[in-house]
Amino acid sequence: GAVVSQHPSWVICKSGTSVKIECRSLDFQATTMFWYRQFPKQSLMLMATSNEGSKATYEQGVEKDKFLINHASLTLSTLTVTSAHPEDSSFYICSARGPGDQPQHFGDGTRLSIL
Amino acid sequence: SQQGEEDPQALSIQEGENATMNCSYKTSINNLQWYRQNSGRGLVHLILIRSNEREKHSGRLRVTLDTSKKSSSLLITASRAADTASYFCAGGKGSYIPTFGRGTSLIVHP
Repeated sequence: GAVVSQHPSWVICKSGTSVKIECRSLDFQATTMFWYRQFPKQSLMLMATSNEGSKATYEQGVEKDKFLINHASLTLSTLTVTSAHPEDSSFYICSARGPGDQPQHFGDGTRLSIL
Repeated sequence: SQQGEEDPQALSIQEGENATMNCSYKTSINNLQWYRQNSGRGLVHLILIRSNEREKHSGRLRVTLDTSKKSSSLLITASRAADTASYFCAGGKGSYIPTFGRGTSLIVHP
């Protein structure tokens, strides 16, 4: 089946650090990738959608200068949390989808803790 | 977006019992997807049912879809403790972006 690899799975770093999270589709071409944020016992909040080779579309209230998304190839998207602060601590999940009415396939998430 | 809303929010049952959870959505869809999320993990795609299908089975999972009521149900038969997780639904249609409700938190007691 379709596999999405997300790395790293856990990051602990100091306030002010920038953190990059990678999302790779291992066995299919992901024309669209999604980035979500999830707080404990809450739903996934869509942050942004990215199509390969074009700029990401951010959801309302998500700062694009804070959360930099790059989707340079059909198998890789990255999310960079710039100058992270404690309020950015959360569980970040990516997903990837092929063309047409395909289901999303999710990575295992990245738990980000900013001290 | 195609947001699904799951019901009930929480469900607690004994191992061996069946678990039924429901999903409602607002706009027309081409398919509906069910996902499972174990604590601290990403979502795992369970099953996809197309809008021209009324029922679909996969192992112990049975999904129904009623497009006239814009609703779907997921039945897990003979539940196991390992089925403990949160379950989400999402509608899909072309390039539409599926978004998720709060999910149903299922606890299966051994």
